[in-house]
Amino acid sequence: AQSVTQPDIHITVSEGASLELRCNYSYGATPYLFWYVQSPGQGLQLLLKYFSGDTLVQGIKGFEAEFKRSQSSFNLRKPSVHWSDAAEYFCAVGTPRRNRDDKIIFGKGTRLHILP
Amino acid sequence: NAGVTQTPKFQVLKTGQSMTLQCAQDMNHEYMSWYRQDPGMGLRLIHYSVGAGITDQGEVPNGYNVSRSTTEDFPLRLLSAAPSQTSVYFCASSYSRYSGNTIYFGEGSWLTVV
Repeated sequence: AQSVTQPDIHITVSEGASLELRCNYSYGATPYLFWYVQSPGQGLQLLLKYFSGDTLVQGIKGFEAEFKRSQSSFNLRKPSVHWSDAAEYFCAVGTPRRNRDDKIIFGKGTRLHILP
Repeated sequence: NAGVTQTPKFQVLKTGQSMTLQCAQDMNHEYMSWYRQDPGMGLRLIHYSVGAGITDQGEVPNGYNVSRSTTEDFPLRLLSAAPSQTSVYFCASSYSRYSGNTIYFGEGSWLTVV
């Protein structure tokens, strides 16, 4: 079975600074990888996903993530954060099994705080 | 462009009361699910459905009941509310059960059991 870890519960950055949120996974092959964002009082929304191919994935709202097989990581980055990026971010891992064992597992989330 | 709609948004229940959280989606999605979100625990799957008439248990099903009589609707019933069920509940849907599909979430239902 797969697992996913987000090592940072809270991250604080200044507006305009760069951002990197960490995500590590465990799975025996190349998994499906996702980042979702949850704005305050809202449901989760997909930011980006990786299935295969180019390891640098572009998403919505100026976010990108890089799949690094050697490090079992899928870190989320943004070059310059805006106050509206304050939210909780969830990394998720799925599998290409396409059977009853196929399921998506969410990390416990990283809450991003933005300093003005 | 409704997507996934959940009601109510907020609810306070007394211990032992029952209630139903409503969920509807207008995307003709086959797969629907309910999660609960608790601080430090992330999202945990309660129940899911792969189509009308088919439901199954997730990670934390105890104390909850579901049914799927139509493709659009997937209500979650709390049979006898307990303080441990105080949580934020999210309904979600996707095209199929396979994890490669994008999951669409409702806006959440904040439930407090006193």
